[in-house]
Amino acid sequence: DSGVTQTPKHLITATGQRVTLRCSPRSGDLSVYWYQQSLDQGLQFLIQYYNGEERAKGNILERFSAQQFPDLHSELNLSSLELGDSALYFCASSGSQWDTEAFFGQGTRLTVV
Amino acid sequence: EDQVTQSPEALRLQEGESSSLNCSYTVSGLRGLFWYRQDPGKGPEFLFTLYSAGEEKEKERLKATLTKKESFLHITAPKPEDSATYLCAVRDSNYQLIWGAGTKLIIKP
Repeated sequence: DSGVTQTPKHLITATGQRVTLRCSPRSGDLSVYWYQQSLDQGLQFLIQYYNGEERAKGNILERFSAQQFPDLHSELNLSSLELGDSALYFCASSGSQWDTEAFFGQGTRLTVV
Repeated sequence: EDQVTQSPEALRLQEGESSSLNCSYTVSGLRGLFWYRQDPGKGPEFLFTLYSAGEEKEKERLKATLTKKESFLHITAPKPEDSATYLCAVRDSNYQLIWGAGTKLIIKP
């Protein structure tokens, strides 16, 4: 157990809908990272937050947004969902901004039908 | 454009047969190269970080090395429990994280 909790574990929704994925980082970790992993794209870095502020941005679509709350949990919002958004979404956390060792959650499997 | 390429895509070895996985990268201002292990249906698990050419790190049967253009993950006398997908990633000068597609390693008993 990495100590990073993601909910829900599975999510099935229809195209055009909006969903929210939640991540609770390890106790004491200030940095949260979001990733998308699909079979044909591998692991894609989406965005990083540190202590409530955005720190680095990857290939995150405009339909996606994230935030980190004062209690350090984070949410990833996916809107106007398309079939191609079906993937495993991982959250990871680390102690500081640029820690090299990040701890990953078990992921949320999103299926868009 | 920053890029990370891992080879081979898949590797099948007999138990005890040593080999190496490759991670070649093109990145502006390397701020670290990372190796992770991922088991099916689980999140990646951190193995190593390397920062500069010539650096080496070891953990049990694994040893990671770094040059200016690539990194190798050497596996010595592997066991079936070493079977997993091994992922390489780099952090660039903008602190973005770029990941390779991974090498799926299968160790047969």
